[in-house]
Amino acid sequence: NAGVTQTPKFQVLKTGQSMTLQCAQDMNHNSMYWYRQDPGMGLRLIYYSASEGTTDKGEVPNGYNVSRLNKREFSLRLESAAPSQTSVYFCARRGGGNTIYFGEGSWLTVV
Amino acid sequence: AQSVTQPDIHITVSEGASLELRCNYSYGATPYLFWYVQSPGQGLQLLLKYFSGDTLVQGIKGFEAEFKRSQSSFNLRKPSVHWSDAAEYFCAVAFDTGRRALTFGSGTRLQVQP
Repeated sequence: NAGVTQTPKFQVLKTGQSMTLQCAQDMNHNSMYWYRQDPGMGLRLIYYSASEGTTDKGEVPNGYNVSRLNKREFSLRLESAAPSQTSVYFCARRGGGNTIYFGEGSWLTVV
Repeated sequence: AQSVTQPDIHITVSEGASLELRCNYSYGATPYLFWYVQSPGQGLQLLLKYFSGDTLVQGIKGFEAEFKRSQSSFNLRKPSVHWSDAAEYFCAVAFDTGRRALTFGSGTRLQVQP
């Protein structure tokens, strides 16, 4: 158990719709991350949060916003979904020993 | 530029055979190095990691990896593969010591033949 819970696990959106992916950790670590996974490209960092109230852009932030209102939760929002955002999204937290632990993923399809 | 390369997209081995998955990185110093495994439809599970010290590190499920500074490599090995090892394997590197965010290779899909 990585201690990271993501919801929803599956979602289908129409182009232009908005949605929020929720992520919560059951530990008390500061650093949390959102990645997206696309075939043949590994995982790419969307946003990072070092602590409550702070966020920083990653490699592919365009089209996304994040919110870290408290230490436990880190949400990812798509304001106007596009087909290019069809992907698998992973939330992660940094744990002991500088190890990053991943949630089980959220499969998003934008049609 | 900092990068992580897994040159093998797909590898097929026979059950019981040895395995080596390659990973190279481009960076001026020694980063933190990780190997993760992902089964279909699942999240990523940490196999092992290297920060410093002994360059041969042992992980879970019988995997090991060797860090070679001169080659900027961190190859994953297993002496005898089991059918349950079929999965996708990702090498990941933490270049940014501040954020400790990971940069991933593109992955190697392992198929195991009976």
